[in-house]
Amino acid sequence: GQNIDQPTEMTATEGAIVQINCTYQTSGFNGLFWYQQHAGEAPTFLSYNVLDGLEEKGRFSSFLSRSKGYSYLLLKELQMKDSASYLCAVRDRGTDKLIFGTGTRLQVFP
Amino acid sequence: GAVVSQHPSRVICKSGTSVKIECRSLDFQATTMFWYRQFPKQSLMLMATSNEGSKATYEQGVEKDKFLINHASLTLSTLTVTSAHPEDSSFYICSAREPGQGRYGYTFGSGTRLTVV
Repeated sequence: GQNIDQPTEMTATEGAIVQINCTYQTSGFNGLFWYQQHAGEAPTFLSYNVLDGLEEKGRFSSFLSRSKGYSYLLLKELQMKDSASYLCAVRDRGTDKLIFGTGTRLQVFP
Repeated sequence: GAVVSQHPSRVICKSGTSVKIECRSLDFQATTMFWYRQFPKQSLMLMATSNEGSKATYEQGVEKDKFLINHASLTLSTLTVTSAHPEDSSFYICSAREPGQGRYGYTFGSGTRLTVV
């Protein structure tokens, strides 16, 4: 089976840094994705990790540790528009399907 | 970039009727289409995987006779919710897989908000 967990909700202040964690237990791992989703819209791609380490992309960074089944998304210089849900998703090696985590709703306050 | 057109964006139907949702890949061939369901304040739950020209593979707990998936061509996949009930009200979203595009090869439709009354 597959189990992908994230904190349900987080709050942060504009300009701050927030780290959203994702832990997973899967049978066939072939990469981990992070998506941003605003209510009623499609998810948008943020980052992808397949090897251990940190991937940086502007204000967003994502880290992966395959041995620990752990990833995090780091958002710097938070803006009000960053208020959204953040979803991690694991790609299955055999089928290529993406299995999504429970999702984290982030609210940024002024 | 790759675009997936999903229609309708919103639909309201009566209990007992069927609703068809279409996803078209506009500028690429989608060998695989994934269908997800999302309830309010929850994450995306994978319902099924469809490959062009073959039967869909359903996730555990998803009724294949209720959620009919057809992937007749490399650019079109449809999900039909048969005999809909209020508990089927949800946000349905498709994701097309474009081979050879690695991390960028998953393109999502804009979603369909289904309300069953």
